[in-house]
Amino acid sequence: GIQVEQSPPDLILQEGANSTLRCNFSDSVNNLQWFHQNPWGQLINLFYIPSGTKQNGRLSATTVATERYSLLYISSSQTTDSGVYFCAVWTGGFKTIFGAGTRLFVKA
Amino acid sequence: DADVTQTPRNRITKTGKRIMLECSQTKGHDRMYWYRQDPGLGLRLIYYSFDVKDINKGEISDGYSVSRQAQAKFSLSLESAIPNQTALYFCATSGTAQGELFFGEGSRLTVL
Repeated sequence: GIQVEQSPPDLILQEGANSTLRCNFSDSVNNLQWFHQNPWGQLINLFYIPSGTKQNGRLSATTVATERYSLLYISSSQTTDSGVYFCAVWTGGFKTIFGAGTRLFVKA
Repeated sequence: DADVTQTPRNRITKTGKRIMLECSQTKGHDRMYWYRQDPGLGLRLIYYSFDVKDINKGEISDGYSVSRQAQAKFSLSLESAIPNQTALYFCATSGTAQGELFFGEGSRLTVL
């Protein structure tokens, strides 16, 4: 089955720094989503981005479907950005495949 | 109010007890899912339903059952809870064949 790999697994930033999170997938996908799981466990939708680039405030994402990767950019990081970032891909049918996540800690 | 609501949000119970986790949604989506999250294991699919008359097992359905009472309601039951069912449980919905998922706030279950 399709493999989804996220890097880095852990990331520590000073508040105000920028970062790039990567998601590689091993086969063609119909869609890709980025989620943020906050320290309280809630899963928050960030982007639905099967291809192209989207921006939402300080966050943006780019998916290059032909090269099988997606990037999540966080600019001017804040302590509230801490948590785990998951990418998830859907190849059809019922199954969504989740990556293992990138754990981000932003220091004040 | 959240579009996908789970109750209870936290529950502590004892081994052998029956537990029901409930999910309701106001998104008008046909497809509903139950996931389980364990530390280090990511999200795993327990059951999914594409409409009221459709129920399907996911990756880890043993020890669980579900009921789709209406388009908007999907409940998960643990008939006889055991400690290794201690986990964070999520309900999710999707509205189209493209599968964009929307999650509830999670139900943290502890089985002693």
